[in-house]
Amino acid sequence: DGGITQSPKYLFRKEGQNVTLSCEQNLNHDAMYWYRQDPGQGLRLIYYSQIVNDFQKGDIAEGYSVSREKKESFPLTVTSAQKNPTAFYLCASSRPQETQYFGPGTRLLVL
Amino acid sequence: QKEVEQNSGPLSVPEGAIASLNCTYSDRGSQSFFWYRQYSGKSPELIMFIYSNGDKEDGRFTAQLNKASQYVSLLIRDSQPSDSATYLCAGTPGNTGNQFYFGTGTSLTVIP
Repeated sequence: DGGITQSPKYLFRKEGQNVTLSCEQNLNHDAMYWYRQDPGQGLRLIYYSQIVNDFQKGDIAEGYSVSREKKESFPLTVTSAQKNPTAFYLCASSRPQETQYFGPGTRLLVL
Repeated sequence: QKEVEQNSGPLSVPEGAIASLNCTYSDRGSQSFFWYRQYSGKSPELIMFIYSNGDKEDGRFTAQLNKASQYVSLLIRDSQPSDSATYLCAGTPGNTGNQFYFGTGTSLTVIP
């Protein structure tokens, strides 16, 4: 089955802790994205990558970091500098300028 | 700043009626537009995309694009309770970037 997987489904973070959200795709898409969604709000772009070993900041990159070492993988780290990390995190992938397909999401909660 | 704006709703329609969802955009160079459906607690799923002026139909769904007036709409005919969800409008920028610009979504409830 082709698709996008995200893990874990739920993630709990303690204050001062860095946590990493996984995103993997087997659609052979060049572009991958991370979005944050808060209750009742739309999607805000955190980071995106159009090619391996390259990525760009989105609208709300502060407190987050990413890497793109493989075409299939685009992990997101929520650092301790992100003071309000509680949200629903969505990973997506696409061919250039085409439809973005989303993974099932990771819900991050702060203990 | 490139923006896509939607009425947040909520929009309520009776079962069997036509639901009309609207979206306006600020970037006149935007090329393509996408409608996603998002059920509560789930990730968005694509319903339709449109890049030419006019109408595009797919089953009960019709997307309409008017580039001169910079609006996009989605019509859902014969609305069903299973259509109750939040609908997100997204557009691509006028440059060659891959990123989308999402609206905040419109909540639709279809009343049986």
